[in-house]
Amino acid sequence: ETGVTQTPRHLVMGMTNKKSLKCEQHLGHNAMYWYKQSAKKPLELMFVYSLEERVENNSVPSRFSPECPNSSHLFLHLHTLQPEDSALYLCASSQQGQYNSPLHFGNGTRLTVT
Amino acid sequence: GNSVTQMEGPVTLSEEAFLTINCTYTATGYPSLFWYVQYPGEGLQLLLKATKADDKGSNKGFEATYRKETTSFHLEKGSVQVSDSAVYFCALPHSGAGSYQLTFGKGTKLSVIP
Repeated sequence: ETGVTQTPRHLVMGMTNKKSLKCEQHLGHNAMYWYKQSAKKPLELMFVYSLEERVENNSVPSRFSPECPNSSHLFLHLHTLQPEDSALYLCASSQQGQYNSPLHFGNGTRLTVT
Repeated sequence: GNSVTQMEGPVTLSEEAFLTINCTYTATGYPSLFWYVQYPGEGLQLLLKATKADDKGSNKGFEATYRKETTSFHLEKGSVQVSDSAVYFCALPHSGAGSYQLTFGKGTKLSVIP
């Protein structure tokens, strides 16, 4: 149990579908993150929310849309994805303002775009 | 900006062998350094960290020493077990005021065979 729960664990979707990934953290943290992990590529930070405000967006395509309704929940809304978007999507949380606060990751959602 | 370079592997060792995974960094100042581990089917979790030069981080028999002279943070374990099979990531904070990003290495896959 990591304290960060992601659902679903696996998702297969067509390029015209709309789906959402969900993340919930039970650690009382104030920052949440979406990362993309693809084979043979470094981890890519997609979005960062601190105190429910988006503070970083690393030029992610608009077909990915994040939502952070409160400090415990984070969503990633997906629409008209491409096959190259198939990857493991990891959610993480941390306590900003606390020196050296590590990231706590969920187990990820394995996304396959057909 | 800050960056890390780690040996890519894969690394295959027999049980009880000695492990070294090299990590070197480029950074402004002296940031904290981290090793994360990802077991099959799971997200990343913090393995150990060091916050200043000459610090040694340790956990689960793994050690890494923050060496500013060689800008290195190599991960070592004296006797690996099958349960240590995983992907290991070296990481440090991204440079820049207000940045929440951790920069990760590409990961080193370790397989330990009985």
